[in-house]
This record gives sequence, structure tokens and C-alpha cells, in this order.
Amino acid sequence: GAGVSQSPSNKVTEKGKDVELRCDPISGHTALYWYRQSLGQGLEFLIYFQGNSAPDKSGLPSDRFSAERTGGSVSTLTIQRTQQEDSAVYLCASSLALDRMGDTQYFGPGTRLTVL
Amino acid sequence: ILNVEQSPQSLHVQEGDSTNFTCSFPSSNFYALHWYRWETAKSPEALFVMTLNGDEKKKGRISATLNTKEGYSYLYIKGSQPEDSATYLCAFNPYTGTASKLTFGTGTRLQVTL
Repeated sequence: GAGVSQSPSNKVTEKGKDVELRCDPISGHTALYWYRQSLGQGLEFLIYFQGNSAPDKSGLPSDRFSAERTGGSVSTLTIQRTQQEDSAVYLCASSLALDRMGDTQYFGPGTRLTVL
Repeated sequence: ILNVEQSPQSLHVQEGDSTNFTCSFPSSNFYALHWYRWETAKSPEALFVMTLNGDEKKKGRISATLNTKEGYSYLYIKGSQPEDSATYLCAFNPYTGTASKLTFGTGTRLQVTL
């Protein structure tokens, strides 16, 4: 079946603008995760969803970052008033269920965000 | 802050060489250790999820071992091929009671040349 998809694949924006990144998980996967990889850094956890709720938002780097998930499926990560340090590859992953620890997370291809 | 380290940072081998990388992670509160392969312009691909001390997993020419008591895992590639060129990531999954909240290492970038 179809894997995790993300859009756009690349986004170039100007400092101060808002951006929305979209993730479409594998059908039937109730858990959804957002990560980002900044230059020279490891993948950094941002937030996860179980269904439409986000029990842990502790990874969001600032209040300019928010995420939502609707219908237990598509998720949107929004960055307001983008800064140059937000430039990174943003990856989304999904897994069958949040409460099955050790479940494989299946990743999308990522969105490369560049803030000029 | 959980510390997950991978070494070496990068590796350049010839086709046919065998190679291995190391992932070190906290030895306390362990639940699982994940290995991923990430090729340029593609999605990270899951290789292994390892949960038991002493576990060894194999997928084709790639295998991995796990030592949870001392906090390390090795990934081995036997007879490297150019298509093995990728960044290999490990991710530590602590016991949190609910979530698979992964902490990733920075990866080992492997380049295999003819």
C-alpha cells in the first residue's frame, strides 16, 4: 500500500512568513510523529499524535510551532514567523499504535524548509 | 537529555569490504533500539527493532547485535555494495509506559565505491 507522504517536498520562504507542512500517514496507523533534522544534527523529536490528540508537545522548540491532526489521518505542522534557525528537513512518521512501544515507525520523504 | 552517539561519523569503503558501525545509548530505562537506513532524497527505511539483550538480527547482508547492559549496538554490513551507500541511523526508545518517543543519533554516513 501507499507509504507516508509529505508535502511540499521543498519549501523556500522568507524570514517572518508562516509555513504549513503536511503529512499523510499510512492508512490505519493511529500514531503519527513529527521530527526535524537541522544541519549537522540528529533527528529531533517534535510532537506525536495518538488519533487526533497530542499527549506530548514537549519537543516543539517554541510557541511559533504548532501541529494538528484531523480525522485521525492528515497532520499539519505550522511554523509562524519563521526564523533562519527553522531551516531543516521536517520528517513525519506513522506507526500502528502509540501504545505499542517498539513499533516500527514508517517515515515519509520529508519537507526541506529553507528560511532566507 | 538522552545521549545517543554513533561512530564513525562517516566511512568510505570499497565494494566487497565488510564494515561495522557503533551506536551507544543509555543503559538504563531501555525498551528498544531501532536501526534505519536513509538514502539521499528518500525516506528513512526501517532495518531492525531490537529489544532483547544479546539479540542479533539479520536482513540479507546486514546484521545487528545488541548489548543493553553496556548500552551499545553494532551494525554490520558484509560485502558492501554501492547500493549500501546511505546514512545509517540508530534510535533509542526508552521505557516511557506509552509512547515510542525515539532519540536518534546523528548517523554514520557510508559511501561504497567500485
